[in-house]
Formats: sequence, structure tokens, C-alpha cells
Amino acid sequence: NAGVTQTPKFQVLKTGQSMTLQCAQDMNHNSMYWYRQDPGMGLRLIYYSASEGTTDKGEVPNGYNVSRLNKREFSLRLESAAPSQTSVYFCASNDRNNSPLHFGNGTRLTVT
Amino acid sequence: SQQGEEDPQALSIQEGENATMNCSYKTSINNLQWYRQNSGRGLVHLILIRSNEREKHSGRLRVTLDTSKKSSSLLITASRAADTASYFCATDATGANNLFFGTGTRLTVIP
Repeated sequence: NAGVTQTPKFQVLKTGQSMTLQCAQDMNHNSMYWYRQDPGMGLRLIYYSASEGTTDKGEVPNGYNVSRLNKREFSLRLESAAPSQTSVYFCASNDRNNSPLHFGNGTRLTVT
Repeated sequence: SQQGEEDPQALSIQEGENATMNCSYKTSINNLQWYRQNSGRGLVHLILIRSNEREKHSGRLRVTLDTSKKSSSLLITASRAADTASYFCATDATGANNLFFGTGTRLTVIP
């Protein structure tokens, strides 16, 4: 049982490059989330999808886009990476609002 | 921001001692959750306490919630080296669709 799977685990980008972070869950959860984690800042919500076909902005959505491809997959795209987007990105899912979250192991992104 | 705030930021104890971490938050909530994060890994859910509950136990974990003070505490009894991790509280504001995480307490248990 894989749970929440994120790819890639590590990525280095140059300023201005684009990339997509992939996330998939096999728990048939309705809701999926993207967080970023920075030292001293805790986790901050970027975007979430309460159900297939819907997405909503979180606390820090600027510079990101998301796609809920189907019930299993929720991707995060950086169109033009900036050094301020250097962070660890976590995908999470749950079966209903505010029930316990299941997290992936993160993508460590460095933008130079 | 509805973000919770954990206290202390870092805590170092000897194996076998108890560890207490505190969380304060700003708005009315439906529930409060505690998570653990081992280095380089994702967060793992530990326990959820609802706003109408005052105390909850799970194994060596004891969580209390005081909604009048907007605070919660997590007690880990008889700590082990394997408890070394960062611990986060997360709150959902009434009417919100997502959780807000605190900045975490880094616990080190010395064997």
C-alpha cells in the first residue's frame, strides 16, 4: 500500500525554468493538498482540491498552478521558477474536510 | 493568520523522561491535530482532538485542549530515542476547508 507518492524527490532548477511536481494517492481520498515547508515557517498551503474537478487557492498560491487530473493525481506546476520557491514541497490527501492528512515524503526543490 | 504556534521551538531530554509541547492558536476550531515529522520524511498523523473534548490518550501520548485559552498540549511519556522528531499542531478554523500548521517543536531524545 503506497499511500501518497511524490515525484521527483529532488530537483534543481535555474531561475525561469518550469517544472511539474507529481502526486498520486491510492487511498481513494476525495481531497488533495500541496504544502510548502520552509525553515521557521511551518507548512503553508499552496493549493488544494476538495474533490475531483475543483481546485482552490491556499495561503501562498502566487507563482504556482495546479491540476487535479483525476481522483488519484494532483500536480503542482511552477511556470517560471524563482529562488523564493526554493523549499520542500509536500502533497497530502484525506477523505473529507479536516480529517487526518496523509502525506507524501516530499520534493526538495532548489532554484538557483 | 490562523497558524498555530508551538512552544518550545526545541526540546532536548533524556530517554525515559516525559516531553511536553504546547500549541496556541488564534480562532475558533472544530478540531486540533498533532503530527510528527522525522527528518527528511513527510508528516505522520498522531492524534485528533475535537473542540468538545478536553483530553485524549493514545498509547504514550496524551493531548489536552483548552478552548477558552486557545491552547493544546502534547505529552509523550517515557520517551525513547525513536521519538526524536519534529512535532506540529494543526487546526481547522470553523468553516475552513483545510488545516493550518504551526511552526513545530523539535524534540531530541538522548539515549
